[in-house]
Amino acid sequence: QSALTQPPSASGSPGQSVTISCTGSSSDVGGYNHVSWYQQHPGKTPKLIIYEVKNRPSGVPDRFSGSKSANTASLTVSGLQPEDEADYYCSSYTGSNSVLFGGGTKLTVL
Amino acid sequence: QVQLVESGGGVVQPGRSLRLSCAASGFTFSNYDMHWVRQAPGKGPEWVAVIWYDGSTKYYGDSVKGRFTVSRDNSKNTLFLQMNSLRTEDTAVYYCAKRAQAAWTYVGDWGQGTLVTVSS
Repeated sequence: QSALTQPPSASGSPGQSVTISCTGSSSDVGGYNHVSWYQQHPGKTPKLIIYEVKNRPSGVPDRFSGSKSANTASLTVSGLQPEDEADYYCSSYTGSNSVLFGGGTKLTVL
Repeated sequence: QVQLVESGGGVVQPGRSLRLSCAASGFTFSNYDMHWVRQAPGKGPEWVAVIWYDGSTKYYGDSVKGRFTVSRDNSKNTLFLQMNSLRTEDTAVYYCAKRAQAAWTYVGDWGQGTLVTVSS
């Protein structure tokens, strides 16, 4: 299975909002609500920031929000802050008892 | 707090085998499903395998199915990954990870990783 499709880069100025897309198929993103997003800073391990399409684990700021339409999931970061600069990866359950990650999006805060 | 410490990585020739271990502490290991996730240098994560809390169920990613085997010893709080018929494309940092609270399909806490390099 191929990785979920994400744009390689995204950017925004502090205080702005930015949205990152994640496109799959009806066999993964479109077929299940087990879609998640991870944030990874350089030299660190990924951190779960969104699960079940739109839920945030405890401690994740509400500036991070998730949504889904058909085969595409989206992560929106509102009120961009310098510490939001990181790589972001989407992930989805595939229905064949496996998990698929996206290729990643590098978010730059200008 | 949760601690996951991987070991067993190294340089290995294509076609050979390697066994990774992950020592867990700071939580009740036998209550949690556990994952292996790998990340090649400069690339995104790739899910490798999951094993149910009691070892009864195991799932694998397509690229490792039939070659890798995940197992656990709950009496020793240890997770394993047996990797056979290694290929150059298996080169990556391998992470042991605890499932997130919501469902097994989400990865919560990660170890620091162990590097596996497959090269002749």
